Amino acid sequence: NAGVTQTPKFQVLKTGQSMTLQCAQDMNHEYMSWYRQDPGMGLRLIHYSVGAGITDQGEVPNGYNVSRSTTEDFPLRLLSAAPSQTSVYFCASSHTGPGLGYEQYFGPGTRLTVT
Amino acid sequence: KNQVEQSPQSLIILEGKNCTLQCNYTVSPFSNLRWYKQDTGRGPVSLTIMTFSENTKSNGRYTATLDADTKQSSLHITASQLSDSASYICVVSASNTDKLIFGTGTRLQVFP
Repeated sequence: NAGVTQTPKFQVLKTGQSMTLQCAQDMNHEYMSWYRQDPGMGLRLIHYSVGAGITDQGEVPNGYNVSRSTTEDFPLRLLSAAPSQTSVYFCASSHTGPGLGYEQYFGPGTRLTVT
Repeated sequence: KNQVEQSPQSLIILEGKNCTLQCNYTVSPFSNLRWYKQDTGRGPVSLTIMTFSENTKSNGRYTATLDADTKQSSLHITASQLSDSASYICVVSASNTDKLIFGTGTRLQVFP
């Protein structure tokens, strides 16, 4: 099993550009989520999905879109990049939502810089 | 407001020594508490997950405790190794949500 994979590992964007961060998992997990990690702050939830075709907003959803057409993939789209979106982005997956105590598996992260 | 607070913010210890990291939370209704280890430049990796009824859980040299009455948890590292240098993150889940609440982490550095 590859676990949770993310691409790219690093990315530099100019303000106003758009891009998609890719996330895939091969564990047949229903629950997938995107977080951003900024210095001095805990990971913050951007969007999450409880299954294919179902997505919902997290704590900081503005400026990001997601879709979940398959169980395996959960891409995160930046619509018009802003310097405030400079961050490290982590994708995670688990069997079901965190309330039931299943382990969450995190990807290696994407370090995004917006200039 | 659901919050998770960790202390200390950073810690330096010598190889072979023990240390204890603290976590206080105000999440309600409580479902479970997790400790993660995050190496620099990598994603968090789960160490332990504890539910309301568990007050101690071990994973090798890592032992987590939970006091659901005082809403406190600790992570004890025994006989530290250089590879223990990382950030340790306390995370709490509420039972009425599909979301996790993350602490800001304790950065541990182990020196030879």
